Amino acid sequence: GAVVSQHPSWVICKSGTSVKIECRSLDFQATTMFWYRQFPKQSLMLMATSNEGSKATYEQGVEKDKFLINHASLTLSTLTVTSAHPEDSSFYICSARDPSGLVETQYFGPGTRLLVL
Amino acid sequence: DAKTTQPPSMDCAEGRAANLPCNHSTISGNEYVYWYRQIHSQGPQYIIHGLKNNETNEMASLIITEDRKSSTLILPHATLRDTAVYYCIVVADFGNEKLTFGTGTRLTIIP
Repeated sequence: GAVVSQHPSWVICKSGTSVKIECRSLDFQATTMFWYRQFPKQSLMLMATSNEGSKATYEQGVEKDKFLINHASLTLSTLTVTSAHPEDSSFYICSARDPSGLVETQYFGPGTRLLVL
Repeated sequence: DAKTTQPPSMDCAEGRAANLPCNHSTISGNEYVYWYRQIHSQGPQYIIHGLKNNETNEMASLIITEDRKSSTLILPHATLRDTAVYYCIVVADFGNEKLTFGTGTRLTIIP
């Protein structure tokens, strides 16, 4: 299947700093990417839908000014956690749909584990 | 507003077939049943999907009841690497594209 990568795989930062997470589709172009967050022992929760060349669509309860999403190209979306706090510590996962693929599905990245001290 | 119901956990002996049930009694005619799994600390992995007919691929088989109100994912010969949380998701016509993950079934393969 299609490959989606994330960078970094894990990051530790101080409270108040900003952290950028990259999501790349390696072998296909993705007009739409998705960002999820997963707290320990919980399921994935969709945070936002990232559309290439336009503003992201955020789910209810997700602060758009805190979680900045940029989808500047068909293979790259970035999520920036601004002024991170310990409660933002979580597992962040992106996904992308391959519109040209034989299988209608989303492919997920390996995730980025964020720890805010 | 969970669209699917799955048992929270299951055990299966290594080498045996693992049968994971999912209820989706309110499924609409244009909604597909998708299965993903998430191995610890990794992103979810697509397994299989179907609409009405049973499906099989190199990973698993999907059996959907005639009324489409439930389905079963079958891993024919479970290995230790199949230990994961398995999610059954109902999604309409992938043009909608939002995937809503429930709590899934934690499958443990016993040596």
